[in-house]
Amino acid sequence: DAKTTQPPSMDCAEGRAANLPCNHSTISGNEYVYWYRQIHSQGPQYIIHGLKNNETNEMASLIITEDRKSSTLILPHATLRDTAVYYCIVRGYMNYGGSQGNLIFGKGTKLSVKP
Amino acid sequence: ETGVTQTPRHLVMGMTNKKSLKCEQHLGHNAMYWYKQSAKKPLELMFVYNFKEQTENNSVPSRFSPECPNSSHLFLHLHTLQPEDSALYLCASSQDRPGRETQYFGPGTRLLVL
Repeated sequence: DAKTTQPPSMDCAEGRAANLPCNHSTISGNEYVYWYRQIHSQGPQYIIHGLKNNETNEMASLIITEDRKSSTLILPHATLRDTAVYYCIVRGYMNYGGSQGNLIFGKGTKLSVKP
Repeated sequence: ETGVTQTPRHLVMGMTNKKSLKCEQHLGHNAMYWYKQSAKKPLELMFVYNFKEQTENNSVPSRFSPECPNSSHLFLHLHTLQPEDSALYLCASSQDRPGRETQYFGPGTRLLVL
């Protein structure tokens, strides 16, 4: 089972920031928070990941609370092309022959960006 | 483009057919994965290969047979499938090294079993 909880859907106005929350209250110390998104019928696209510190790249920012029990993905200026299902995933390091590093996808948050 | 390609992109097959899905990664990764995504369901991990060895088989029926001849190529051989096997089949790859474990996905093969 997925170790994260996300709202099933969210709306965002085009040009505004989209803030997608994720709860992962059972995260352990060596587990990362990963975010992917999937545009309809395409392969999931990697967005960003983090362990403890906040992270930013060209696509998004990831804010992780100090207790690591929740995080927020921020798309600073949402466009219509950001409409997708966003997955928050907790995973450990992929040990050879182990499953700790496997990605377990939940249902994600369906983000609809509206004009 | 993620550096992971899959062919064919669409496939229709009968229950008695034999077909193969192909995945190729151009990222220099050493781990490759097959996932299945059925309608209205989350992605399910099927197989994991690490350095060409299968390290995980997630209770997948034997009518799905994976093959990993080298670190860049992964196949999924299909035979005597059922209509409920119709789904989007996704391939991914990653590097098995700290800080480099991010999985990159291909575009998927949309399979319809009649």
